[in-house]
Amino acid sequence: DARVTQTPRDKVTEMGQEVTMRCQPILGHNTVFWYRQTMMQGLELLAYFRNRAPLDDSGMPKDRFSAEMPDATLATLKIQPSEPRDSAVYFCASGLGMSRGETQYFGPGTRLLVL
Amino acid sequence: AQTVTQSQPEMSVQEAETVTLSCTYDTSESNYYLFWYKQPPSRQMILVIRQEAYKQQNATENRFSVNFQKAAKSFSLKISDSQLGDTAMYFCAFMKQGSGAGSYQLTFGKGTKLSVIP
Repeated sequence: DARVTQTPRDKVTEMGQEVTMRCQPILGHNTVFWYRQTMMQGLELLAYFRNRAPLDDSGMPKDRFSAEMPDATLATLKIQPSEPRDSAVYFCASGLGMSRGETQYFGPGTRLLVL
Repeated sequence: AQTVTQSQPEMSVQEAETVTLSCTYDTSESNYYLFWYKQPPSRQMILVIRQEAYKQQNATENRFSVNFQKAAKSFSLKISDSQLGDTAMYFCAFMKQGSGAGSYQLTFGKGTKLSVIP
């Protein structure tokens, strides 16, 4: 059955290193979302795309985070340079983009630990 | 801005029993959508149930049902005949309708950790 996939599943890195997380949305979905989950803040929206164009990235720290969709089958979230406070689980979700209030389907997340 | 509150950080229920998880929200919107997502230890976020605010009828999905009280801004989840596989974090989420900023954004509560005891 169709699923959102994310890689890597887990990532441990050192402060200052570049981190790239990848997401493959469900085929045919044209909205993609990036969420971050931490114990303190819970789940927060970082960015979302529609038809590969960024519609809102106001939740994302602009100085170190960047999100792109090179093509319809790949979304990337990059952190450069990474900091310990970026440690979290990063989720990608996708949706059909056909109607308001539609379901967002989540991937399994990337757990990031920055030492 | 919308806020979602889940007042029960943890709950437990005996297998085969019924449990209700609470969720309240604050919004000035009149049309919106509400969701319950489940996050088992595998970390995968799974949609449990969805409710459109303009519908008076409460949504149901097999053993899962909601009690949607629009005036009270309450959206509780009832799980009947609890099973061990229901053990998970449960998140209540809000999405506003419309075409403005944030219209696709899910606002989540902090979650309720549910343990089903054999």
